[in-house]
Amino acid sequence: EPEVTQTPSHQVTQMGQEVILRCVPISNHLYFYWYRQILGQKVEFLVSFYNNEISEKSEIFDDQFSVERPDGSNFTLKIRSTKLEDSAMYFCASSVPSGRGNEQFFGPGTRLTVL
Amino acid sequence: AQSVTQLDSQVPVFEEAPVELRCNYSSSVSVYLFWYVQYPNQGLQLLLKYLSGSTLVKGINGFEAEFNKSQTSFHLRKPSVHISDTAEYFCAVSVTQGAQKLVFGQGTRLTINP
Repeated sequence: EPEVTQTPSHQVTQMGQEVILRCVPISNHLYFYWYRQILGQKVEFLVSFYNNEISEKSEIFDDQFSVERPDGSNFTLKIRSTKLEDSAMYFCASSVPSGRGNEQFFGPGTRLTVL
Repeated sequence: AQSVTQLDSQVPVFEEAPVELRCNYSSSVSVYLFWYVQYPNQGLQLLLKYLSGSTLVKGINGFEAEFNKSQTSFHLRKPSVHISDTAEYFCAVSVTQGAQKLVFGQGTRLTINP
């Protein structure tokens, strides 16, 4: 069964460093998403991506964040200069537009720890 | 804007007992409703969704949920739980147009005791 994969599973970085979180969505999917979950808090939407451009982003997704689909398979989230408060679990998701209630398939997440 | 409230952060139940996990939402526009489950060290998996039509929705693993528009609720139920149902459960909504981002509740940790 096809699934969304994410690498690495755990990333530890120093404050101020750049990190790139990688995702491989399901191959025939067209919508891609990033969400994050700070420990003990709810899952929050960051950004959605469709047709090679951002379709929607949240207030969290400021200039420090960027997304890219560098080739036909990968979808990346870059944080340019990490802050302590960026420590969270980051989930990638993808969906195929059905017109009604797209089911989003989630990856296992990357745990980002900023020291 | 949409919001979701899960009224219980933790629900302990005994094996084979029934369970209800509560979810209320707020939205000024039409929404779709979802329940996701997260097993330890795994991603989020869709349990069921409500798009339209019958207000009682059946999902995987014997779960069902009922949409109540007047009470803006979408409670999740299972008549008899198993140890394997131990997980975190998330209620979510999305608008019916556009990229349909998900807005999640805080989650409910369901613990099944033998």
